[in-house]
This record gives sequence, structure tokens and C-alpha cells, in this order.
Amino acid sequence: DAGITQSPRYKITETGRQVTLMCHQTWSHSYMFWYRQDLGHGLRLIYYSAAADITDKGEVPDGYVVSRSKTENFPLTLESATRSQTSVYFCASSESVGQPQHFGDGTRLSIL
Amino acid sequence: DQQVKQNSPSLSVQEGRISILNCDYTNSMFDYFLWYKKYPAEGPTFLISISSIKDKNEDGRFTVFLNKSAKHLSLHIVPSQPGDSAVYFCAASGADSNYQLIWGAGTKLIIKP
Repeated sequence: DAGITQSPRYKITETGRQVTLMCHQTWSHSYMFWYRQDLGHGLRLIYYSAAADITDKGEVPDGYVVSRSKTENFPLTLESATRSQTSVYFCASSESVGQPQHFGDGTRLSIL
Repeated sequence: DQQVKQNSPSLSVQEGRISILNCDYTNSMFDYFLWYKKYPAEGPTFLISISSIKDKNEDGRFTVFLNKSAKHLSLHIVPSQPGDSAVYFCAASGADSNYQLIWGAGTKLIIKP
């Protein structure tokens, strides 16, 4: 089925561990995004990518690493997880900048 | 400092009546505005958008109004239905944000039967 899928849906890990959240889209959209959603805040942009091998920082990039070797995949890595990174993470894609973004169903990440 | 504000965390409306969700922004360079709807345990879903060259855009039961002088937009849902119960986010973009979306904190809409 066409769409955007995130995995895992739920993840519990410990501080200091590395964790990778996966995002895969089947539309061949150029743009992909990672957001985090926390209570009292809207979605905050972590990183985005305009095309394969092109990534850029968003509003809250510290502590995160991304890569985009293929158009359809955009993994997000927390190299050394901290409790402040406990959040719900959403991946999105769009055909171009300024077009509506299409979202995955999110990954709920808890860091103990 | 939040550039996009949704000052009502929640709103309760009777089924069949009009729901009005509000959003204020501070950056006059924003030129594209969107509304998203989000159900629990799902990602946001695009609902409707408006460009700054317009002051109204309509799609079925959903209408978005933009007042540029007041830096205010609103989403009207008429008539409200139980399936409209969700969290609604407004988002804005423009040259200042490199055309990336800046999001409000969301308003939880509850439709009462």
C-alpha cells in the first residue's frame, strides 16, 4: 500500500543507548521531515531532507542524526538517548516545499 | 517565542452546530497557512489550506478565513459531526521559515451528541 510507515510504533530504552527510528515512504516524495510532539507544544521540526543525500537542521536538531541514502527512507538516530528526548516522533513527506505534508502514525519513545 | 498560537487548548460544541477554531500568528512574512486534524495514536492529516492572497477557502463543511491585518485565521466546521472530535493544528510557512511549517500547539475539539 502506498503511504508512509514508521517503525517501531513504541520503543522503551535507557539513557545513553543509541536508538534509530525508521521512516519509509512509497510516494517518491522529494521532501521528508522528522518532528517531535510534546505536551504544550505543536510539532517541532528536528531535521528535514530535500532529496537523497541532502539534509538540513530544523528547530530542535541537537542530539539527533539523520541520513538519506535513498529517496524512500529517512531514519532518525538518537546517538546517546536522554530523558528529555522522551516524546512522540512523527515522520512526514511532501512533493515539494510548501505542499501539504503527509504523516506517518508516529513512534512513541520512552527513555528511562 | 511562539510564532503560531492556538490559545484555546480545548473546545466543546454541540453536534450540528458550528465549530470555530482560532489561530494567531506573529510573523508577517508567513504566506501559506494550513489546518491539520489529528486523532489519537495517528499522525496529523491535512485538512485545508489558504494562501495569503486569499481571505477565504472552502472545502465542503470546512472553511478557513484569513485576516492578514489581524494576523488571525480561523477554521469553521458546519455542521459539526461526532467524527470531527480530534485535535486541530494550524501551521504556517513563509520565506522566514525557509518554507518549513511552524505549528501551533493544537486545540482539542469535542463534539457533544
